[in-house]
Amino acid sequence: AQSVTQLDSHVSVSEGTPVLLRCNYSSSYSPSLFWYVQHPNKGLQLLLKYTSAATLVKGINGFEAEFKKSETSFHLTKPSAHMSDAAEYFCVVSVMDSSYKLIFGSGTRLLVRP
Amino acid sequence: GAVVSQHPSWVICKSGTSVKIECRSLDFQATTMFWYRQFPKQSLMLMATSNEGSKATYEQGVEKDKFLINHASLTLSTLTVTSAHPEDSSFYICSARDLGTGTGRSWYQPQHFGDGTRLSIL
Repeated sequence: AQSVTQLDSHVSVSEGTPVLLRCNYSSSYSPSLFWYVQHPNKGLQLLLKYTSAATLVKGINGFEAEFKKSETSFHLTKPSAHMSDAAEYFCVVSVMDSSYKLIFGSGTRLLVRP
Repeated sequence: GAVVSQHPSWVICKSGTSVKIECRSLDFQATTMFWYRQFPKQSLMLMATSNEGSKATYEQGVEKDKFLINHASLTLSTLTVTSAHPEDSSFYICSARDLGTGTGRSWYQPQHFGDGTRLSIL
């Protein structure tokens, strides 16, 4: 069975400083992992996805994530935070059967201070 | 990119009425769509999987007679909240799985989400 754990419910950074949102996964197989962002009263937008092609995945808006099998981690990073990055971020793993269901982490709220 | 349109974005109605929410994939086909419910400051909870041309699959604890799902075409799924009551008030979000092109395992294809529907029952 697959699962994801987001280690921080809230992360606060100053504008222009690096962002690190942590995610650990559990999977018996090579997982399919995603990071989604949700702004208030909006749906989810795909930031990036890991599909085993490359361990360092680049996404939209300057975000990237590194898949580390030895640490079972898929942390999301950005070199320099922008005020518009303030949102809820979800680490997600795909259930690897015909259901195509997604399993969501509990979410991390990113606060960006001016 | 793949776009999922969800309508309406906000609805307020009286207790006892039924509300229909539409989810459309605008530029891709989706044999499978998903309906989620999200409570304030919480993660998404999968309610049901909508399959084109067949019955929806509901998650444990979700009342299928309360939440009717129809997936009549490859681009449209609807969720009808029947006889809605205040406890049904929530944020409902749909997603559609992109079939993708070429070879490769389907579970690597991302889901694309609508903007959600805020349902308030008075």
